[in-house]
Amino acid sequence: NAGVMQNPRHLVRRRGQEARLRCSPMKGHSHVYWYRQLPEEGLKFMVYLQKENIIDESGMPKERFSAEFPKEGPSILRIQQVVRGDSAAYFCASSPPDFRNQETQYFGPGTRLLVL
Amino acid sequence: RKEVEQDPGPFNVPEGATVAFNCTYSNSASQSFFWYRQDCRKEPKLLMSVYSSGNEDGRFTAQLNRASQYISLLIRDSKLSDSATYLCAVNLILTGGGNKLTFGTGTQLKVEL
Repeated sequence: NAGVMQNPRHLVRRRGQEARLRCSPMKGHSHVYWYRQLPEEGLKFMVYLQKENIIDESGMPKERFSAEFPKEGPSILRIQQVVRGDSAAYFCASSPPDFRNQETQYFGPGTRLLVL
Repeated sequence: RKEVEQDPGPFNVPEGATVAFNCTYSNSASQSFFWYRQDCRKEPKLLMSVYSSGNEDGRFTAQLNRASQYISLLIRDSKLSDSATYLCAVNLILTGGGNKLTFGTGTQLKVEL
C-alpha cells in the first residue's frame, strides 16, 4: 500500500513564476491537508480539503495561494508569482474517511521549493 | 502566546540516558494529541498518540494532563537512532468534519556515544 506521494520532491522557481505542487493521498484516504515548514520553524497548517471541497483554508495566505482536490487526480497546491519568502518545505498529509481513524494524519515526503 | 509550545533544545544526552520532553497547549477545546518524530529534511512520522491514561510503546511513554494543558514524552535507554526532532501536535476536530493539527516547533534531541 503506497504511502502519501508528493511530486516534485524539489522545485526551483524564479521570482514571479508559478509553482504547482501535487499530492496523492494514501489509497482509501479522502481527506488531504497541506502544511508549510519554513527553515528552522514548525509545521504550519495551510488548508484541509476533501474531494472537490475546501473545508478549512484558515492557514492559507490571502493572495497568490490556492488549493484544489478534484474528483479525479491528485490534490494541487498552486502558488502564483512566487517570492523568495515562499521558499519552504510543503508537506501534504492524508487521513481516512472513517470518523474513528480520521484524526491520524500520514505525511508525504514533502516538496522543497526554492525561489531564486 | 503560541498555541503549542515546546522547548527547542537541543537536548544532548549520552546513549542510555532517559530524556523527557514537555509541551503545553493553549486551546482547551483540543481533542487529541500526538507526538511526531522528524528526521532532518524528512517528513514527520507519527510516533504515538497521547491519552490521559498515559500510554507506553517500548522505550517511549507519553502522558497527557488536560487540567494543566500539558503533554510529555519520556524516552528511556536512548539510542543513537533516537536523534531527531520531536514534534508535539494538538488536534481540533473541525465543524465540517476532518481535523486540524497544530504543531509545536519541535524539540531537537541528539544522542551521543
